Amino acid sequence: DAMVIQNPRYQVTQFGKPVTLSCSQTLNHNVMYWYQQKSSQAPKLLFHYYDKDFNNEADTPDNFQSRRPNTSFCFLDIRSPGLGDAAMYLCATRGPNWANEKLFFGSGTQLSVL
Amino acid sequence: DQQVKQNSPSLSVQEGRISILNCDYTNSMFDYFLWYKKYPAEGPTFLISISSIKDKNEDGRFTVFLNKSAKHLSLHIVPSQPGDSAVYFCAASSISGGYNKLIFGAGTRLAVHP
Repeated sequence: DAMVIQNPRYQVTQFGKPVTLSCSQTLNHNVMYWYQQKSSQAPKLLFHYYDKDFNNEADTPDNFQSRRPNTSFCFLDIRSPGLGDAAMYLCATRGPNWANEKLFFGSGTQLSVL
Repeated sequence: DQQVKQNSPSLSVQEGRISILNCDYTNSMFDYFLWYKKYPAEGPTFLISISSIKDKNEDGRFTVFLNKSAKHLSLHIVPSQPGDSAVYFCAASSISGGYNKLIFGAGTRLAVHP
């Protein structure tokens, strides 16, 4: 049973057209992450939520926004996608106790920008 | 500024032999390390972890070794099986430093051939 679900699996958008990726979880985890992974590169953290507290990475472009309306759902909004934003976007969750905990990942959304 | 480095992008091993995947890190605050495995079109899945109070952790065919003085860890898979063919990511965090995030390496693609 999928515990972290990302929709859609594949998303095609046009240059400059806003797009939203979604993530839901059944684990009731309070921490949720969005990572961007480009081909053959390390997954790069964009931001994370600790409960409702939003934590943006210093080098995340302003073009990327996020919303977390409740524990179960988290959204990644790309306001004006550029060709360089084509990537796999990974959502992950974990519980509050970091020691001996691990991140659970969804299957990712592969974003193409035309 | 890559804090976690996997310098071998790929590794090919014969079935039944040992696979050794390496990872180096630069941040001396890191005290918690994980290995994730990723199949194509799927999200990363947790494999094994180690905290800095240990120098070895074993789980079945998988063993992770940590050398803190060298800032180096390695994942050993013995014996290697064709189903182990995947991309392996090393990741690190600092629990004592209050990090809420994992920093990933770029991954090593392991191919196990008969």
